[in-house]
Order: sequence, then C-alpha cells, then structure tokens
Amino acid sequence: GQNIDQPTEMTATEGAIVQINCTYQTSGFNGLFWYQQHAGEAPTFLSYNVLDGLEEKGRFSSFLSRSKGYSYLLLKELQMKDSASYLCAVSDSNYQLIWGAGTKLIIKP
Amino acid sequence: NAGVTQTPKFQVLKTGQSMTLQCAQDMNHEYMSWYRQDPGMGLRLIHYSVGAGITDQGEVPNGYNVSRSTTEDFPLRLLSAAPSQTSVYFCATSVAVSGANVLTFGAGSRLTVL
Repeated sequence: GQNIDQPTEMTATEGAIVQINCTYQTSGFNGLFWYQQHAGEAPTFLSYNVLDGLEEKGRFSSFLSRSKGYSYLLLKELQMKDSASYLCAVSDSNYQLIWGAGTKLIIKP
Repeated sequence: NAGVTQTPKFQVLKTGQSMTLQCAQDMNHEYMSWYRQDPGMGLRLIHYSVGAGITDQGEVPNGYNVSRSTTEDFPLRLLSAAPSQTSVYFCATSVAVSGANVLTFGAGSRLTVL
C-alpha cells in the first residue's frame, strides 16, 4: 500500500530552527509537496521537490532523497505565525497526491 | 480575483438528507477536485475533473456525486447524508507551476451529519 509518515506534533521556540520529517512509500514518484495549513483554514502551497537535494525559499527549505523515500521541511527563525500544520504529499505514478496526516507545529515564545 | 469560492462554510444535516456543496473558481483552471479532511488522516480525494464534461472518481467516491458543466463550477452532491460524512470538505483547483501541479484550495465547508 501507499503510505506517508510524519510526526503528529512538534514544539519549538520562537527564533529557533525546526525540521519536520516525512517518509513515504508510494507506487511511483512524481514529486513531493509541502503545504501549510493554519487552524480552521485551507492548506497553502509551500514547496515542491522532484529531484534530490535542497530547495530554499526564504526562511523555509525542503530536502528530498528519493533513494531513501525521505523529505524534510526546515523552518528557520521561527515566528509565532509559523504555528500551523504542515502537510507532506507525494504525487504517485498516476500523478495522484497521497497525503500525510500532517504535523502540528506549536511555537512557544 | 476571488480564487476558489466554496459555499456554504458550515452546514448541519440530518441522516438521509441531501445537499450540494458549491465550488466556483475564476482562475480558468481546467483541473478541479474535492477532498475531505478528517482528524488524524491525510486529505482524501473524493472526485476530480480535468475539464468541463469530464469527471472521475478519487479514493473515496461512495455517497458523493459531481458534475462539471462549466470550467468555473464543480458542485459536490451528497445523495443521502450519513454520520460518516461528517468532515471538512475542500475544493481545489490545480495549475502547473514550474513543472509542479500546485493545488489552490477553497476555504472549506464544515459539514456535520447528525
């Protein structure tokens, strides 16, 4: 079967760095996405990785290792507004998205 | 631009009632989809459409119908609501951005079935 695993909840301190991991087992791979979802709101697109390596976008970076079925989202200089759930999703061989359950990130002052 | 507009935002139904969740987009995107989001689970695809007149089933289509008569609208119909359909429903469109099919979601519709 197809499976996406990510931690249920993480806590970090304002100004610090946090890494949210995502491991996947899917039938085929056509890219990995990270979305941010604030409580009560819709998910919004953060990043996309299809080749191995690191993609950097301001305070957010996303890493992919296809051979290990592994990705992480790195958030630097954490701000209170970064408190949200972070969703990992993989596009499978049919270009359908398989979603993880999300990681709830709690930022403490 | 409004983007993706969903109505209603909240709805309470009784078991056996039917209703339609509306989704409209003004971005001229061909691809539209409906997801449900339940606690502790990933988003699950209900139905999707790659253009007007074309619809297909996703992972959890049972109990739901869709139609796509125009590019702009993609309503989701619950035929006979069941408590298991209590969920948050998201409509999403997709467009290619630098090779990635990025989803743009509506604000969501929270449905409770008693």
